[in-house]
Amino acid sequence: GENVEQHPSTLSVQEGDSAVIKCTYSDSASNYFPWYKQELGKGPQLIIDIRSNVGEKKDQRIAVTLNKTAKHFSLHITETQPEDSAVYFCAALNPPSGNTGKLIFGQGTTLQVKP
Amino acid sequence: GAVVSQHPSWVICKSGTSVKIECRSLDFQATTMFWYRQFPKQSLMLMATSNEGSKATYEQGVEKDKFLINHASLTLSTLTVTSAHPEDSSFYICSARDGAGAGNTIYFGEGSWLTVV
Repeated sequence: GENVEQHPSTLSVQEGDSAVIKCTYSDSASNYFPWYKQELGKGPQLIIDIRSNVGEKKDQRIAVTLNKTAKHFSLHITETQPEDSAVYFCAALNPPSGNTGKLIFGQGTTLQVKP
Repeated sequence: GAVVSQHPSWVICKSGTSVKIECRSLDFQATTMFWYRQFPKQSLMLMATSNEGSKATYEQGVEKDKFLINHASLTLSTLTVTSAHPEDSSFYICSARDGAGAGNTIYFGEGSWLTVV
């Protein structure tokens, strides 16, 4: 089955700097890769996603890149702000189609943005 | 983005009683809903997948008689923790798949904190 590895487990940056979180997946058939932000005591919030037919997607300060050959995808946050501090999870949908697909999550990255 | 509502957001119950948690997709029809459990500082652990009108599919190690899941309509799924015990205390989160458009986008509810005393 699919396996998703996420690094780093913790990341501390200064406000205004960029943050990058990387994930690798094992099943080349996976074709949908969302990223979620989870604040303390709350459910995960979808912040961006990418499908395997594109290599990059951007939404304001957030971007995701996908390398299907290497089977890895990354989250990029630019101009970080203290409110970006949270736990971020990557995921891969497997199997990729139909009602049986389920999200396989990475281990999570705790991002701390220091003012 | 799409909204998934979960209720209650927190509940305290006595050991041996049952607790029901509801998950609703407010602005889309969810053919599939998922239930997760999350322990502090850990990732989400999938408990079961439910498709509208059919029996839920439970992950290995999850007791289906203890965690009853019902997906009666395209906008509502419920998780009932039966005969709850303190070890069932946890953060329970549901998610729903929006199959419209490009399909497969999955949104999460806000989670429900269960404390069994």
